[in-house]
This record gives sequence, C-alpha cells and structure tokens, in this order.
Amino acid sequence: DGGITQSPKYLFRKEGQNVTLSCEQNLNHDAMYWYRQDPGQGLRLIYYSQIVNDFQKGDIAEGYSVSREKKESFPLTVTSAQKNPTAFYLCASRKNRNLNTEAFFGQGTRLTVV
Amino acid sequence: DQQVKQNSPSLSVQEGRISILNCDYTNSMFDYFLWYKKYPAEGPTFLISISSIKDKNEDGRFTVFLNKSAKHLSLHIVPSQPGDSAVYFCAAGASGNTPLVFGKGTRLSVIA
Repeated sequence: DGGITQSPKYLFRKEGQNVTLSCEQNLNHDAMYWYRQDPGQGLRLIYYSQIVNDFQKGDIAEGYSVSREKKESFPLTVTSAQKNPTAFYLCASRKNRNLNTEAFFGQGTRLTVV
Repeated sequence: DQQVKQNSPSLSVQEGRISILNCDYTNSMFDYFLWYKKYPAEGPTFLISISSIKDKNEDGRFTVFLNKSAKHLSLHIVPSQPGDSAVYFCAAGASGNTPLVFGKGTRLSVIA
C-alpha cells in the first residue's frame, strides 16, 4: 500500500546531540513537508520541499536542517541549536505543488530530550 | 500572526446531535480549505475539502460550508458519534506552490 512512513515512532535525545528523523513516501508525490505539533500550538511548518534538490524554510526553521536528494525521502535533522526540540514531528506530502490537493501525513515521531 | 484561526479549543456534543466546528482565515489569497481529524500520537487524516468556487461540499456525515465574504468556514458532523471524538484541524492553501496553513485545532468530545 502507498503511504508515508516516519521512523522512529519514539526518539530520545540527549542535550547537545543532533538527531535525524526519517520520512519516506511511495506515493510519487512532488512536495514534502515537516510540521511540528506542540500542545495548544497546532501544526507549525518547519521546512518544505516542492522538488528534488530544493527546499525552503517554513515558519520555525531555526535549529533544523533538511535534505531532498531523492523524491521519496525528506529527512529532518534536529540540531543542538534547536532550543526546545521536545515535540511531535509530522511529515506530509502532496501530489503536485501546483494543484489544490490534500496533504497526506505520516504517523509522526515523538522526540524527547532527556 | 495567525492566518487560520480556530477560536474554540474544545467542544462537547451529545451522541446523535450535530457538531459544528468553526474556522476563520485572514489571507484573501487562500482558495482551498480542508479539515483534518487527528487522534493522539497519530498523524492527521484528511476528512473533506472545499474550493473557493463552491460554498458547500458534502461527504456522508460531513459537510463543509464556506462563506468567502466573511472569511469563515465550518464543518458540520451529523449525526455525531463517539468515534468522532478527536482533534479537528482546519487548513487553508493558495493556488500554486504554498504549503497548507493549519489552525490550532478544536478538540471534539462526543458524549454517549
């Protein structure tokens, strides 16, 4: 079945460490997105990519980095520069950046700093 | 500045009655609107959408209404069921290459 797979589901990080969250999709979607969910904050956009080898900062990009070397993959690295990384991270994809279509989400990764 | 606002953090409804969730937006460029449902520790799932050329879209128990002049949309769920209890997010997008913008969500509790 087609879908978006995020891994791991739970991730623990020590302060000062970088960690990378995986996001893979086999929907042949052009655009991919990373959102962060905090209690009472809704979904806030971190980074997005509309085509391979290109990506743009979202509203809260500081302390994060991404890459888009393959259409299927859009990993997110949470660096030590991110002041408050504990959150629920959601990856999404959309079929075509130029059409009004829904975004499909993965199951999320819960990151906790210990 | 919030472009998509869901002003009610929570809503309780009795089973079998209508649930009405509201959403306001400020950006006149938005022309596509969506509702998502989310359970704890899971990703949001798409429910229903509406284009700005319409004022109503219906899918089973779910109906979305759009009032462009008021920059307001609402999701009606009739009849409400206990399994509808979740957080509902309103989202909006503009034609072209802009990401979807989400509201903060409304937690719906359907009481049996």
